[in-house]
Amino acid sequence: NAGVTQTPKFQVLKTGQSMTLQCAQDMNHNSMYWYRQDPGMGLRLIYYSASEGTTDKGEVPNGYNVSRLNKREFSLRLESAAPSQTSVYFCASSESRVDIQYFGAGTRLSVL
Amino acid sequence: SQQGEEDPQALSIQEGENATMNCSYKTSINNLQWYRQNSGRGLVHLILIRSNEREKHSGRLRVTLDTSKKSSSLLITASRAADTASYFCATDGTSYGKLTFGQGTILTVHP
Repeated sequence: NAGVTQTPKFQVLKTGQSMTLQCAQDMNHNSMYWYRQDPGMGLRLIYYSASEGTTDKGEVPNGYNVSRLNKREFSLRLESAAPSQTSVYFCASSESRVDIQYFGAGTRLSVL
Repeated sequence: SQQGEEDPQALSIQEGENATMNCSYKTSINNLQWYRQNSGRGLVHLILIRSNEREKHSGRLRVTLDTSKKSSSLLITASRAADTASYFCATDGTSYGKLTFGQGTILTVHP
């Protein structure tokens, strides 16, 4: 089983560029999440999708949009990247909102 | 602010010693989870303890939960160099009903 797969693994953007981070899970989970992790800090929730067809804002949603394309896929879009969005982004999935979460390997994004 | 706060922020021990990390939280919870993160990797789930449980074991891991003090501890016994990682607690006590992670404890185990 691949689990949670994130692409790309690394990305460098210039300020103002846009990009989409992709996430797919093969565990038939209902809930999916996007987090960002900054040095010395825990994970902060950007957006989550409790079930297919629904998305909700987390703690730090500004500057991001998401799409729950189907039950497997949950993408995160940066419309106009800013240096403050330099971070490591993790996608996760779980059976329900309060169950064990399974994480992808992360996307390391630098915005210059 | 974060629901869970780990203490200490960093812990350095010798192989074979025990490592204890603590987590405090603010609101009532249904469960509390501990995760591990190796450098440059995603988080891996270690153990889940429900609010009606006081202690749980998994291999060399022992987790306790004191809901009256709103705190939990993770004990790793007979630590190994391979236990070097960051450890995070996560709680479901927010109004969103989803997990909120603490800032983590960085554990270094010296061979």
